[in-house]
Amino acid sequence: RKEVEQDPGPFNVPEGATVAFNCTYSNSASQSFFWYRQDCRKEPKLLMSVYSSGNEDGRFTAQLNRASQYISLLIRDSKLSDSATYLCVVKVGNNRKLIWGLGTSLAVNP
Amino acid sequence: EAGVTQSPTHLIKTRGQQATLRCSPISGHTSVYWYQQALGLGLQFLLWYDEGEERNRGNFPPRFSGRQFPNYSSELNVNALELEDSALYLCASSPGTGVFTDYGYTFGSGTRLTVV
Repeated sequence: RKEVEQDPGPFNVPEGATVAFNCTYSNSASQSFFWYRQDCRKEPKLLMSVYSSGNEDGRFTAQLNRASQYISLLIRDSKLSDSATYLCVVKVGNNRKLIWGLGTSLAVNP
Repeated sequence: EAGVTQSPTHLIKTRGQQATLRCSPISGHTSVYWYQQALGLGLQFLLWYDEGEERNRGNFPPRFSGRQFPNYSSELNVNALELEDSALYLCASSPGTGVFTDYGYTFGSGTRLTVV
């Protein structure tokens, strides 16, 4: 089983749609959680950290369920510019190593 | 503030050669991380350097090595290149081990290594 697993995708949605991505992690010692976005052939960029109480940044909402070892990202009112691959990332312990999911591809269509 | 910078942007090598990739961290950061992103495999942790020392290493063979210089910049060396080493190599930086770093890292734009 992969350490971090994401929805296989790809997701194709119309502009204005709401889309949700899920991610599960296997290591219960995971401490920190993030969503990154990666555009084609570019470096990944931090979208948001994920906190236990859930957190929101504009149209983006992240949730963490430690009991189920599950993370989610909700994007409301999708824009064409949201088209990218979304990567779920987990940090375990203090060894500074990030463990990455393979990503879910999102295409927002006009 | 300058971000993480990597060079070269692209590198083409033949099988068996050596490749050297460079990374300059954000000013004030002492930790540097290297990741490999091969097609279809996702990002894989390679190395973590802090204060000139290797702190952690991913599951890569010894021909992947590196070092960190006194100015905290870093080099990644890949010896005896194989076709499977073709990938995007990404570098990130953060404050050092004594600093709380529960935040995501900022990556450089990467070096795309192609082995032919």
